[in-house]
Amino acid sequence: KQEVTQIPAALSVPEGENLVLNCSFTDSAIYNLQWFRQDPGKGLTSLLLIQSSQREQTSGRLNASLDKSSGRSTLYIAASQPGDSATYLCAVSQGGSEKLVFGKGTKLTVNP
Amino acid sequence: EPEVTQTPSHQVTQMGQEVILRCVPISNHLYFYWYRQILGQKVEFLVSFYNNEISEKSEIFDDQFSVERPDGSNFTLKIRSTKLEDSAMYFCASSVSLAKNIQYFGAGTRLSVL
Repeated sequence: KQEVTQIPAALSVPEGENLVLNCSFTDSAIYNLQWFRQDPGKGLTSLLLIQSSQREQTSGRLNASLDKSSGRSTLYIAASQPGDSATYLCAVSQGGSEKLVFGKGTKLTVNP
Repeated sequence: EPEVTQTPSHQVTQMGQEVILRCVPISNHLYFYWYRQILGQKVEFLVSFYNNEISEKSEIFDDQFSVERPDGSNFTLKIRSTKLEDSAMYFCASSVSLAKNIQYFGAGTRLSVL
């Protein structure tokens, strides 16, 4: 059974700092990995999707990497801003299944 | 930009009552999903729906739950007899294809069972 873990559970940084969020998964036979952002009481906003054949994806100040063999992904946020404060969720899908399996998330606070 | 719309945003119900949560997926999407998130817990998959039938479901999705696409736009989740432990945020999602499987989520319906 696929398990997704995200470390740390919470992170507080000063504005302008670069930071890395970590995601690990137990079964490396994934189809793709998706990073989401969740604001309090809100839905999930897709940030980046990495197919299993890819090593990284970039969108603006965000860069996500995938090391499938070791079961890890990282989300790098450059020059963090207070507006980046949110919970960041990692989710994986596996071949033959449509469902996403989520981690519990990392709650990020960027202090002005 | 197209988005997944869910109504209501908050539903309060008494234990044992039936509730229907509604979703309007993105118009050209073919795959539809329901997830739930109990407060402080992970987002959990409930069910996926394609071509007017359930394509996959989790063990959470028991006989108390059902899904329907009653017309060309709406996608509903019905809970027949709500329990206290059904209190959660319920998210609807849709995707255009299985191959790429980027799932777009709605803002959610907070269900409170009293």
